Amino acid sequence: ETGVTQSPTHLIKTRGQQVTLRCSSQSGHNTVSWYQQALGQGPQFIFQYYREEENGRGNFPPRFSGLQFPNYSSELNVNALELDDSALYLCASSPKGTSDTDTQYFGPGTRLTVL
Amino acid sequence: KQEVTQIPAALSVPEGENLVLNCSFTDSAIYNLQWFRQDPGKGLTSLLLIQSSQREQTSGRLNASLDKSSGRSTLYIAASQPGDSATYLCAVPWAGGATNKLIFGTGTLLAVQP
Repeated sequence: ETGVTQSPTHLIKTRGQQVTLRCSSQSGHNTVSWYQQALGQGPQFIFQYYREEENGRGNFPPRFSGLQFPNYSSELNVNALELDDSALYLCASSPKGTSDTDTQYFGPGTRLTVL
Repeated sequence: KQEVTQIPAALSVPEGENLVLNCSFTDSAIYNLQWFRQDPGKGLTSLLLIQSSQREQTSGRLNASLDKSSGRSTLYIAASQPGDSATYLCAVPWAGGATNKLIFGTGTLLAVQP
């Protein structure tokens, strides 16, 4: 049990809509990363938050945005949804900052379908 | 730009067989390499992490090796079981440093037939 939860589990949206995905981790996990995993592909890094500040961003357009709250839970927002945004969205949290690779825990993901 | 690839994309083996999964990376300046297992609906679980100074790591029936100079890592699974069926992913740190921002490979879908 990793203690990382994501909501919702599944979501269906139409093109042009906006979506918010949520990630809750164990208390004290000060770092959260978001990944997009298209069907049959490996996860791709979207961005990372460390102590409520963005700490690195992958090759994703500005319509992908995020937040980390004081309790270190996080949101991923995607505006103007496109068909290619259909994917599994994973979050990962760590209690030891941005260089901690051996105690990073992944949530089960949110499956987003854009019609 | 670092690229990570995995072959084969899918593998089906009978129970009890030993097998090897392959991971290749284009930039050898990696800080470490990690192998993950992904089960449907359960996210990713870290299996083994090999530091750049190490040649291999072992956990139970799993053994991972790392050859930085050739840009390769292998995951060896001994005496495979149906419970080993999952997708296996390798990953290296983004920009080569000590970071938990990761670049993943494309994955190998393993099916172990009883």
